[in-house]
Amino acid sequence: EAGVVQSPRYKIIEKKQPVAFWCNPISGHNTLYWYRQNLGQGPELLIRYENEEAVDDSQLPKDRFSAERLKGVDSTLKIQPAELGDSAVYLCASSLVADGSYEQYFGPGTRLTVT
Amino acid sequence: GDSVTQMEGPVTLSEEACLTINCTYTATGYPSLFWYVQYPGEGLQLLLKATKADDKGSNKGFEATYRKETTSFHLEKGSVQVSDSAVYFCALRGQAGTALIFGKGTTLSVSS
Repeated sequence: EAGVVQSPRYKIIEKKQPVAFWCNPISGHNTLYWYRQNLGQGPELLIRYENEEAVDDSQLPKDRFSAERLKGVDSTLKIQPAELGDSAVYLCASSLVADGSYEQYFGPGTRLTVT
Repeated sequence: GDSVTQMEGPVTLSEEACLTINCTYTATGYPSLFWYVQYPGEGLQLLLKATKADDKGSNKGFEATYRKETTSFHLEKGSVQVSDSAVYFCALRGQAGTALIFGKGTTLSVSS
């Protein structure tokens, strides 16, 4: 079974530029999460989707971040414009809520460097 | 709000040494507790979990017991290997939602 796929794996951009990250969850997983992991820290939730609905986006900086999950499958996270402080690893995870375990499976992440 | 505190690293051990990584939590209700591991260049992987008090999670020789009275979930292994070198994250999931709350991570380095 294929795991959570993310692309790109690495991205270097200049500040004020836009950037987008893509995530393909495990097939059949209805819940999708975007986390941000700063250097030396644990991941922190940005947004959680149940199917195509964003059910928890309280930690998403909405002035510059946006996300979508069309058709309840793939998801895209966008930053526009990027700031130096956005340098981090962006992790996508998915889970199958219906089985009751809520176990989250993580992708390899996208390492963003803003210069 | 809910939070997780784990011992800071790095932890440096020789092969076959005993490992303990401390983790304590603050949460309302009865959270589920997890240990995730991140090997160099790889994504986070679930190592073990416990969903209620006194449960013991175990995997790959690692163990952790959910202690509600001390709000702890310490990770232990009796004999570490070089291949255990990684970053270990303690995490909880509260009853109210399904987002994980992570500690800052502890880097383990095992030498032969």
